Amino acid sequence: GAGVSQSPSNKVTEKGKDVELRCDPISGHTALYWYRQSLGQGLEFLIYFQGNSAPDKSGLPSDRFSAERTGGSVSTLTIQRTQQEDSAVYLCASSFQGGNTEAFFGQGTRLTVV
Amino acid sequence: DQQVKQNSPSLSVQEGRISILNCDYTNSMFDYFLWYKKYPAEGPTFLISISSIKDKNEDGRFTVFLNKSAKHLSLHIVPSQPGDSAVYFCAASNTGTASKLTFGTGTRLQVTL
Repeated sequence: GAGVSQSPSNKVTEKGKDVELRCDPISGHTALYWYRQSLGQGLEFLIYFQGNSAPDKSGLPSDRFSAERTGGSVSTLTIQRTQQEDSAVYLCASSFQGGNTEAFFGQGTRLTVV
Repeated sequence: DQQVKQNSPSLSVQEGRISILNCDYTNSMFDYFLWYKKYPAEGPTFLISISSIKDKNEDGRFTVFLNKSAKHLSLHIVPSQPGDSAVYFCAASNTGTASKLTFGTGTRLQVTL
């Protein structure tokens, strides 16, 4: 597809379970971001991949959160031992050259931890 | 440390009037600024951007103004339309380092009839 694709669109999980969220960026985009938006809150930065550079993980809220980007394309955000406060919409974005250009967002994955 | 701040969480404007959304930043290394619009249940969509070498950029009904000395930017929408009702985020980056986009917390715009 032409845009950023995220899956699943919705995920309900039990507290304590692990979840994986997937992001397919726009082909050729070297930069990939993960953000999350909790109810009534702004966009919270999680992690940023730019080309072959070491990812900027400064936004990950705890060591339960991790992300990888294989082959410079698809990215997976993993949350281990989910907690209720992890409930949010997780948004992925990609851009051609990182902060030099605008980022295009996917539709997001709505995660609900019950 | 919130480097990009949108101090007004919400704004209500009558249809046809001008909407002015404000954004302040603290990092003097930021040199590229963007505005995004977000509807419920959708990802943010890019609206307009401005480089620090300019102080104004216009695209149809949308104009972004940048005041570098005040570290302040604003988005003007004129005339405002009901379809403009959304959450607006400003973002900034340092293009020299291809750094990540840093977003503000958003302003919810309601355009009333």
